[in-house]
Amino acid sequence: ILNVEQSPQSLHVQEGDSTNFTCSFPSSNFYALHWYRWETAKSPEALFVMTLNGDEKKKGRISATLNTKEGYSYLYIKGSQPEDSATYLCAISSGSARQLTFGSGTQLTVLP
Amino acid sequence: NAGVTQTPKFRILKIGQSMTLQCTQDMNHNYMYWYRQDPGMGLKLIYYSVGAGITDKGEVPNGYNVSRSTTEDFPLRLELAAPSQTSVYFCASSQRHLEKLFFGSGTQLSVL
Repeated sequence: ILNVEQSPQSLHVQEGDSTNFTCSFPSSNFYALHWYRWETAKSPEALFVMTLNGDEKKKGRISATLNTKEGYSYLYIKGSQPEDSATYLCAISSGSARQLTFGSGTQLTVLP
Repeated sequence: NAGVTQTPKFRILKIGQSMTLQCTQDMNHNYMYWYRQDPGMGLKLIYYSVGAGITDKGEVPNGYNVSRSTTEDFPLRLELAAPSQTSVYFCASSQRHLEKLFFGSGTQLSVL
């Protein structure tokens, strides 16, 4: 079973603050990393799919980086807004587990 | 655009009862998945399918069965419900292996 760790488990930020959180995973036999945004009472929605070491992706105020050699990815949110409040899920596929394994998520609350 | 449709949204079962969670997608995706979400835990893969007629076990398959007779439908069957199966269940699909997942709206199941 693949170990995917997300930190912090939860955080509160003020509107306008920038924030970031981490997804850590075993670096061996890496295939792909996914980031999902999960709002309360809704379904998870894909933000990014990343496969290459050094990859950086951006979607509006949200961006992500990937380091497959050391086994981590960062998700950044610039100028957080209340509508960014959600749980952010990371999922990994590697050689030992061909299907996606999810972390337990980072719950973000943006206070107005 | 229906996407991935799950029914029912909520269900309460008694121990030992059986039920089927329905999942259908209209995107002609080959890959379909069933996950369960328990509090404080990541999404756990129950079963998945890479195409009609092909299914395989995920991380937590015990107590469940699936079938994939068509590309569109991927029902999940609970034969003898147990309290440990109280969870939120998500169906998901993707066009190809390791591409982003599209999730259904979830089924909240309680076994009492």
